[in-house]
Amino acid sequence: DGGITQSPKYLFRKEGQNVTLSCEQNLNHDAMYWYRQDPGQGLRLIYYSQIVNDFQKGDIAEGYSVSREKKESFPLTVTSAQKNPTAFYLCATSLGREPLIDTQYFGPGTRLTVL
Amino acid sequence: AQTVTQSQPEMSVQEAETVTLSCTYDTSESDYYLFWYKQPPSRQMILVIRQEAYKQQNATENRFSVNFQKAAKSFSLKISDSQLGDAAMYFCAYRDTTGTYKYIFGTGTRLKVLA
Repeated sequence: DGGITQSPKYLFRKEGQNVTLSCEQNLNHDAMYWYRQDPGQGLRLIYYSQIVNDFQKGDIAEGYSVSREKKESFPLTVTSAQKNPTAFYLCATSLGREPLIDTQYFGPGTRLTVL
Repeated sequence: AQTVTQSQPEMSVQEAETVTLSCTYDTSESDYYLFWYKQPPSRQMILVIRQEAYKQQNATENRFSVNFQKAAKSFSLKISDSQLGDAAMYFCAYRDTTGTYKYIFGTGTRLKVLA
C-alpha cells in the first residue's frame, strides 16, 4: 500500500534524552515536512526538505534536527535542547514538482510526552 | 510574510444543515494555492478541498465547496447537509508558487455537529 508511516505512535522521553521520530513514505514524493501541533496553535513547521541531502529550517527549528539521506525517509530528532517537547508531531509529504498542484499528505502522527 | 487567519475557534451545526467556516489570508503574491484540511479525533489530517488562485471558479467536492474571493483574500468552506462524521478540526492552509514548498496553516476551527 502507498502511504506515509510514522513510528512510534506514542513516545515517552525522560528529560535530558534525545529521541528520534521516524517518518517513511513510499509515494515517491520529493518533499517532506515535519510539523508540531499544540492545542490552540495549529500546525507549526519545524523542518522541511525538498530533495535528498537538503533541508531547511522552518519556524520552530530550535532544539530539533533532521536528516534526509534517502528519498523515502525523513527522521526527526528531538534533542535535550528543546525546552518543551511534549506535543503531537506530524510528518507530511508532497510531490514537490511544478506545475502540478502540490498537495501535502500527512502521516498518522506521533504523540511525544516528556516525563 | 504570509499569514492565515481562522477567526472562529469553534462552530456548531445541526445535522443536515449547512455551515460555513471562514478563512482569510494575507499575501502579496498573485499566484498561490489554498487548501482545507480536516482533522477528526483520530488526528489524521485529511485533504478536503483545494483551490488554485488563478482559477475563478470555486472548487467543489461533493458536499464541500469553497467561496474564494481573491480581492478580499477570503477562502471560506461551506459544508452542506452536515453529517455526524463531519465533526472535526478544520484547518485552512496557504502555499505560494515561489519554489519553496512551505505551507502556512491557520489555527483551526473546531466543528461540532449536533444530532
